[in-house]
This record gives sequence, structure tokens and C-alpha cells, in this order.
Amino acid sequence: KQEVTQIPAALSVPEGENLVLNCSFTDSAIYNLQWFRQDPGKGLTSLLLIQSSQREQTSGRLNASLDKSSGRSTLYIAASQPGDSATYLCAVNSGNKLVFGAGTILRVKS
Amino acid sequence: DAGITQSPRHKVTETGTPVTLRCHQTENHRYMYWYRQDPGHGLRLIHYSYGVKDTDKGEVSDGYSVSRSKTEDFLLTLESATSSQTSVYFCAIAKDRDNTEAFFGQGTRLTVV
Repeated sequence: KQEVTQIPAALSVPEGENLVLNCSFTDSAIYNLQWFRQDPGKGLTSLLLIQSSQREQTSGRLNASLDKSSGRSTLYIAASQPGDSATYLCAVNSGNKLVFGAGTILRVKS
Repeated sequence: DAGITQSPRHKVTETGTPVTLRCHQTENHRYMYWYRQDPGHGLRLIHYSYGVKDTDKGEVSDGYSVSRSKTEDFLLTLESATSSQTSVYFCAIAKDRDNTEAFFGQGTRLTVV
């Protein structure tokens, strides 16, 4: 059974810092991995999708990496801003469904 | 933004009553999913559909049924609502199973009293 773990559970940083969110999964037989952002009381917004054959994806200040063999992904956020404050979720696609981690709650202080 | 609409957005219902949540998409995506999100459990899959009239169970399907009579609509029914089904329900869509991005609706907050 696929299990996804996100570390840290919560993170508070001053504005401008670069930060890394971690995601690990137990079964390396995945199709892709997706990072989402969720604001309080809102739905999930897709940030980045990494296919199993890819090593990384970039979108603006966000960079996600994938090491399938070791079961790890990281989400790098450069020059963090207060507007980045949200919960970040990673989800692994093992076929027919996404398995989610519990999320990292990020607070960027101005 | 992907065209996904969930209705209702909020609902309060009494224990033992039937409840139907609707997910409507305008993207013509083949796959549709229902998840629930609960503190301490994250998002968990209830049911999913891979085409009209083609559905299958997820990890927390007990007490729920689904139907998909049209590509654009996926209905989730709680036959007899219980307090343990108080949750936030999310619909998601994907073009295919393996290689494409999933998009989520805004959620339905259901309270069973």
C-alpha cells in the first residue's frame, strides 16, 4: 500500500527566504507526482506535475524534483512571499488514484 | 482554471437522510474522482469513474454510492447520512489515468447533525 509522508508538518519563515518542502513515498512504482497548494477553506490548486521519467519541473519561483528510486520529491520555493502562505500537498499517482500526504502548512512572515 | 463545479458548496443535513453531491465538468475528461478531506486523515479516495457508467471503489467507499450517466456529471450519494460522514468533499478530474494532471473542484462542506 502506497504511503506518502510530508516533512515538516509546519514551517514558518521570514519573507525572502528560500525553502524546501519534502515528500517521501514508499512504493516507487508511480506514474507521476503532483504538488498542490490549498488555501484555508478552498480547493486544491495544482502547482507542478512531474512524470515518473522526469527529474524536475519548474514554474516561476517553484521547482520540484523527483527521485523515484529513493521515493523522494522536494518542492523548492525561492524568495518566499507572504502570499505563499498556504498548505502544500504532494500526491503520488500509482494508477487509478492519487495518494496524498498530510501536507506542510507554510507561513511566510512579512 | 479547469471547469469543475461542485454543488452544493455547503450543506447541513440530519442523520439518516439521503444526500447527493454533484460534480460537473466542462473539460470532457474521462476520469472523475470523489475524495473526502478530514483533519488527521488528509484526502482519501471514495469512488472514481473512468467513463460513463464505469465506476469503482476507493479506500473509503462504505456508505457511499456514485453514478455517472453523462461524461460531465459525477454524483456522490450518501444513502443514509451519519455523523462520521461530516467532512469536506472534493471532486477531481483527469484526462487519463496515468500521465496527466488532476484538477480539483472547490469542495462541498457537509455537516451531518
